[in-house]
Amino acid sequence: RKEVEQDPGPFNVPEGATVAFNCTYSNSASQSFFWYRQDCRKEPKLLMSVYSSGNEDGRFTAQLNRASQYISLLIRDSKLSDSATYLCVVQKAGTALIFGKGTTLSVSS
Amino acid sequence: DAGVTQSPTHLIKTRGQQVTLRCSPKSGHDTVSWYQQALGQGPQFIFQYYEEEERQRGNFPDRFSGHQFPNYSSELNVNALLLGDSALYLCASSLVRDTSYEQYFGPGTRLTVT
Repeated sequence: RKEVEQDPGPFNVPEGATVAFNCTYSNSASQSFFWYRQDCRKEPKLLMSVYSSGNEDGRFTAQLNRASQYISLLIRDSKLSDSATYLCVVQKAGTALIFGKGTTLSVSS
Repeated sequence: DAGVTQSPTHLIKTRGQQVTLRCSPKSGHDTVSWYQQALGQGPQFIFQYYEEEERQRGNFPDRFSGHQFPNYSSELNVNALLLGDSALYLCASSLVRDTSYEQYFGPGTRLTVT
């Protein structure tokens, strides 16, 4: 079983749609959780950290359920510029980032 | 504030050859991690360097080796290249004292092995 599993996608949505990505992780010792965004042929960039209480950054909302070992990302009012691959990432304290395979989002007009 | 830089940006090598990739961390950072990202996959951790020593290693063969210099920059060396080594190689830097553990990625080196 992979350490981090994500919805395979791709997700094709119209502008203005709400889209949700799901992710599960296998290592209960994981302490830090992130969503990274990666544009085609570019490096991953941190989108947001994910906290147990849930957190929001503009149109983006991240949720963490430690009991279920489940992470989610909700994007509201999708924009064309949201088209990218979204990577779910977990980490034990101070150690390597463990990435999921990524879910590709394509937003069309 | 200089970000993470990597060189070269692209590289084409033949099977069996050796390659060296270079990384300069973000200003103020002291830890460098290397990742391999094959097409259609998420990045996979290769190893991490801090204080010029390999501190953690992922599931990669000994053909993959590295080095960190006193100025915190780092090299990744791959010997006896295989076709399967073709990938985007990403360097990420961080500060060991930063409890957020945030890592900043460089633009990567795209290696093609023919």
